[in-house]
Amino acid sequence: AQSVTQLGSHVSVSEGALVLLRCNYSSSVPPYLFWYVQYPNQGLQLLLKYTTGATLVKGINGFEAEFKKSETSFHLTKPSAHMSDAAEYFCAVRRSGGSNYKLTFGKGTLLTVNP
Amino acid sequence: GAVVSQHPSRVICKSGTSVKIECRSLDFQATTMFWYRQFPKQSLMLMATSNEGSKATYEQGVEKDKFLINHASLTLSTLTVTSAHPEDSSFYICSAPDRGGLGAEAFFGQGTRLTVV
Repeated sequence: AQSVTQLGSHVSVSEGALVLLRCNYSSSVPPYLFWYVQYPNQGLQLLLKYTTGATLVKGINGFEAEFKKSETSFHLTKPSAHMSDAAEYFCAVRRSGGSNYKLTFGKGTLLTVNP
Repeated sequence: GAVVSQHPSRVICKSGTSVKIECRSLDFQATTMFWYRQFPKQSLMLMATSNEGSKATYEQGVEKDKFLINHASLTLSTLTVTSAHPEDSSFYICSAPDRGGLGAEAFFGQGTRLTVV
């Protein structure tokens, strides 16, 4: 079984400040890890993903995340927040390989950016 | 990148009627599609897995007679909410994995806001 824990349902930062959204996972096999962003009344857009190889992955809009196996973490960061980053962020995990494409989502973190 | 189109984006229906939501993969073939339900300020809850040419697989607790899923072709899956009631009001999202790449990512539709009055 897999699970995802996102610490902090709501994170508030000032414009220009560092963004750090936390994600820890539990998986019995090496996972694939994803971060998605959701704007109000819209579907999910992929920010970045980790499958294999380099543990620091860069995504769109200046976001990046680092896969740390020893800590079972995949935290999302951005050096400088922009007002347009305000949205809901979801961390997700799925089994690596095979044909099971089911994603397990965390509960989400709402990011607000203050001017 | 791959695109999944979901229609309609919003629908209001009367209690007791049925509503059909369409999910199309526009530039790739999707043998599998997933249907999620999202309650306000909550995460996505997987309702069912739609498989082209075979019956859908429903998650525990999801009424298959109420949420009818049809995957008629490699690019179209539909979710029909039958005899809708106000408690069915929610945001419904479909997704399809693009199996062409490593760690195939899931592409999501824009979502459908269903309001039952």
